[in-house]
Amino acid sequence: DARVTQTPRHKVTEMGQEVTMRCQPILGHNTVFWYRQTMMQGLELLAYFRNRAPLDDSGMPKDRFSAEMPDATLATLKIQPSEPRDSAVYFCASETGTGGQPQHFGDGTRLSIL
Amino acid sequence: SQKIEQNSEALNIQEGKTATLTCNYTNYSPAYLQWYRQDPGRGPVFLLLIRENEKEKRKERLKVTFDTTLKQSLFHITASQPADSATYLCALVASSNTGKLIFGQGTTLQVKP
Repeated sequence: DARVTQTPRHKVTEMGQEVTMRCQPILGHNTVFWYRQTMMQGLELLAYFRNRAPLDDSGMPKDRFSAEMPDATLATLKIQPSEPRDSAVYFCASETGTGGQPQHFGDGTRLSIL
Repeated sequence: SQKIEQNSEALNIQEGKTATLTCNYTNYSPAYLQWYRQDPGRGPVFLLLIRENEKEKRKERLKVTFDTTLKQSLFHITASQPADSATYLCALVASSNTGKLIFGQGTTLQVKP
């Protein structure tokens, strides 16, 4: 079964450090989403790309977060500088991009900022 | 304001019974509605999709209904099993052009043997 792969699975770092999370979408999927999940807010959309172009990043704090797709097999989400309130599970998902289709999620990066 | 609401309290049922989970929404006109299952430490897994012009969708022991007048979707698991214990998330696709999903908070289902 094709899967979305996220690395690292866990990350613990100190406040102020740069954090980079990586995602390999399913081959052939042209739309990639980044979500953040917390107990309080649930699953929130941060940003998404179609054919590697950013479509919407309105859910992302722009001053410290950035998302890119250097190529079709890699999406990255960076936080610089990180803050304790960024502690959450970050999920990447991909879909075929025809609109409203099922999304395939990775197993997330559990981020703890001390 | 726009809202998606799912039962916040956990649902506990006995094995073999039917579990019914509710998803209500306000100030949306979704083109589609999707249901996902999430296990601890894992990402959500897609279960079913229902379109605005469909009243009901079935897949094995799962059934979803979609009432655009009541602005509600019901998710049923018949003949429930302990392996069905998980958190179930509903998600609206507000625009089929973007595929952007808005998720509810999820309902945790516990099926007791």
